[in-house]
Amino acid sequence: AQRVTQPEKLLSVFKGAPVELKCNYSYSGSPELFWYVQYSRQRLQLLLRHISRESIKGFTADLNKGETSFHLKKPFAQEEDSAMYYCALSRNTGFQKLVFGTGTRLLVSP
Amino acid sequence: DAGVIQSPRHEVTEMGQEVTLRCKPISGHNSLFWYRQTMMRGLELLIYFNNNVPIDDSGMPEDRFSAKMPNASFSTLKIQPSEPRDSAVYFCASSHTDSGYEQYFGPGTRLTVT
Repeated sequence: AQRVTQPEKLLSVFKGAPVELKCNYSYSGSPELFWYVQYSRQRLQLLLRHISRESIKGFTADLNKGETSFHLKKPFAQEEDSAMYYCALSRNTGFQKLVFGTGTRLLVSP
Repeated sequence: DAGVIQSPRHEVTEMGQEVTLRCKPISGHNSLFWYRQTMMRGLELLIYFNNNVPIDDSGMPEDRFSAKMPNASFSTLKIQPSEPRDSAVYFCASSHTDSGYEQYFGPGTRLTVT
């Protein structure tokens, strides 16, 4: 069975501080991992996916298969990063079913 | 394109009433997903369709929930009878096979059952 765990419901940091939102997964096959973000009063949207290996809005995430983790990181948080972040997993074959974690609310204070 | 459209945006109903939520996916997308979001359980996939055919409904909580997709541009999620524990935000999302795994979400319907 596929499972995504986000251990922190809330992460509160000050502007300029480093941020790491944790995500661990369980899946016996080779997964695709994603981070989705929901800003206040906006729709849930894709932030980044591990296969693209991009940095989006200063965020990066590295898939660590040994630790089955896909933590989201940013060296210097900005107030506009405050949002709800969801880690998601999909099989890399077949239909595009996503399994989401329970989400972490990031609050960046001035 | 206006993106995924959901209606109504807010629904307040009494326990025992029938509730119907509606979704219009992005034109050209061939997969449609219904999710439920709660504080305790986060985002849960209820059911998804591919080319209008239900592929996996294992997330549907019980027989009170049903979903249909009569054509490529419309889907409904029905709860009958509704119960207070059904109160949540229900999201619809759509995607296209060729776009990888990016799903485009609607604004959601906030359902309150009293």
